[in-house]
Amino acid sequence: SAVISQKPSRDICQRGTSLTIQCQVDSQVTMMFWYRQQPGQSLTLIATANQGSEATYESGFVIDKFPISRPNLTFSTLTVSNMSPEDSSIYLCRAISGNTDTQYFGPGTRLTVL
Amino acid sequence: AQKVTQAQTEISVVEKEDVTLDCVYETRDTTYYLFWYKQPPSGELVFLIRRNSFDEQNEISGRYSWNFQKSTSSFNFTITASQVVDSAVYFCALSEVNTGFQKLVFGTGTRLLVSP
Repeated sequence: SAVISQKPSRDICQRGTSLTIQCQVDSQVTMMFWYRQQPGQSLTLIATANQGSEATYESGFVIDKFPISRPNLTFSTLTVSNMSPEDSSIYLCRAISGNTDTQYFGPGTRLTVL
Repeated sequence: AQKVTQAQTEISVVEKEDVTLDCVYETRDTTYYLFWYKQPPSGELVFLIRRNSFDEQNEISGRYSWNFQKSTSSFNFTITASQVVDSAVYFCALSEVNTGFQKLVFGTGTRLLVSP
């Protein structure tokens, strides 16, 4: 099975700054996604990270606020831009391995914005 | 449209009690997957089970069991003889064939508190 890591695991940031979260999978995967989990809430899909092209965003999420990169089949980044306290959440990376149709979640990045 | 409902926001039990977490889903697809995940206080999501829509057999794994009933669009999760370590938020989720099983829609979660 694949192993997914995320960096940083947690961070405390100031309002107005940006944070880039990295997601690394130890084997090639077909699909990668980014989710947000606000405090006490469920997980909401932000976008699908497409390899070599622009991410596909869900309703309510825009590229200017959450730019995403996926330069290859094992790595993706999510940037939370111009942060406000409302961005305080856990951000999770999810990957699907096409060969086995197996799904993996990263351990999450716990972000607090002051 | 796909939707997952977990009506129980929080459940409190005493250790060794059995507890059932309810999950009701909505989908127009005949082919879909249902999932259960556990999220302990540390925050990571722990995969528990995936069940496809054509397999209505109940499943048992140790103290965990799942009851899938298409007639009532339910996929309930029972923990037998609960333990303090079972305390966590449990999420039910659905993915449909029309999204290539790519999009995973989560319920709102049920927080389970198991006290000694």
